[in-house]
Amino acid sequence: AQSVTQPDIHITVSEGASLELRCNYSYGATPYLFWYVQSPGQGLQLLLKYFSGDTLVQGIKGFEAEFKRSQSSFNLRKPSVHWSDAAEYFCAVGAANFGNEKLTFGTGTRLTIIP
Amino acid sequence: DGGITQSPKYLFRKEGQNVTLSCEQNLNHDAMYWYRQDPGQGLRLIYYSQIVNDFQKGDIAEGYSVSREKKESFPLTVTSAQKNPTAFYLCATTRGPRYEQYFGPGTRLTVT
Repeated sequence: AQSVTQPDIHITVSEGASLELRCNYSYGATPYLFWYVQSPGQGLQLLLKYFSGDTLVQGIKGFEAEFKRSQSSFNLRKPSVHWSDAAEYFCAVGAANFGNEKLTFGTGTRLTIIP
Repeated sequence: DGGITQSPKYLFRKEGQNVTLSCEQNLNHDAMYWYRQDPGQGLRLIYYSQIVNDFQKGDIAEGYSVSREKKESFPLTVTSAQKNPTAFYLCATTRGPRYEQYFGPGTRLTVT
């Protein structure tokens, strides 16, 4: 069974500083990997996704993530955060085989931005 | 305007009552999902449906029921058997297994 670990429950960074949110996954084959963002009381918005190919993927709002198979990681990065980036971030892993369309989500990392 | 609609945004019920949450989509997606979100626990899958008139239990299906009579609609009923129904409920859709899921705005259910 697939699983996702987001080891940081809460991260605080200063506006303009760089950001890295960690995600480790467990899956026997090639995974599909996603990062979503959620503002309070809202649904989830897709930031970026990895299916295959280039291991460094670019997303919306200036975010990027790097797939590292050897480390089973898919960390999310942003070079300079803005106050509007304050939200909760979820990493998710999906199975790459037809007939199994379920995603497994991590427990999320809450990001606080300080001036 | 394509998207996923969940109604109502907030729902209040008395303990012992069944309640149905609505999820409608006009994205023409085949697969639909219901998740429950509690603080610190991420999203947990309740039920999913890959095609009309068919659905499967997720990880926490006890106390919930669903139907999928139309491609556009996937209502979730929270029954009185659900021991702790107060939560934020999210509906999602996808074109298929190699595509991302799109989420609705959610319904916050409070049972007292």
